[in-house]
Amino acid sequence: DSGVTQTPKHLITATGQRVTLRCSPRSGDLSVYWYQQSLDQGLQFLIQYYNGEERAKGNILERFSAQQFPDLHSELNLSSLELGDSALYFCASTSLASSTDTQYFGPGTRLTVL
Amino acid sequence: AQSVTQLDSQVPVFEEAPVELRCNYSSSVSVYLFWYVQYPNQGLQLLLKYLSGSTLVKGINGFEAEFNKSQTSFHLRKPSVHISDTAEYFCAVTKISSGSARQLTFGSGTQLTVLP
Repeated sequence: DSGVTQTPKHLITATGQRVTLRCSPRSGDLSVYWYQQSLDQGLQFLIQYYNGEERAKGNILERFSAQQFPDLHSELNLSSLELGDSALYFCASTSLASSTDTQYFGPGTRLTVL
Repeated sequence: AQSVTQLDSQVPVFEEAPVELRCNYSSSVSVYLFWYVQYPNQGLQLLLKYLSGSTLVKGINGFEAEFNKSQTSFHLRKPSVHISDTAEYFCAVTKISSGSARQLTFGSGTQLTVLP
């Protein structure tokens, strides 16, 4: 158990809908990263937050957005869903106390868009 | 930008045999290197990481990896595999940075299947 929690574990929805994925980082970790794992694209970095502020952006679609709240949990919002958005979405957390910090991954949310 | 190439998408090996999973990277800046393992229906677990110092890094579950700067490689090895090592293995890099943006760039993964 990495200490990172993600809910829900599975999500099935229809095209055009909007969903919210939630991540709680390990106790004491200030930074949250979101990654997408799909068959086509592999594991890709989407976005990073540090103590409530966006710090880095990767291959994140404009239909996707994220935020980190004062209690440090993060939410990834996916809207106008398409079939191709079906994937495993992971979050990872780290304290960033030093440059050698490890990222610890949650169990993921499997999104299926029908 | 960084990129990671895992040369083998699938590696079948018999139980108790040695295994090597290959990883090459490309980067214009210095990087840290990682190997993660993903068991079926689970998240990613860190196996080992190279930050600096000795180029031979030992990790969990008997795995080790060797950093070769001249060949830009970070191959993962285990002298004797078990059925329980069946999983997908990902090589990843992140640039060495004093800033807070330290996202990982992953390879495409290698499925290790250990056969009885």
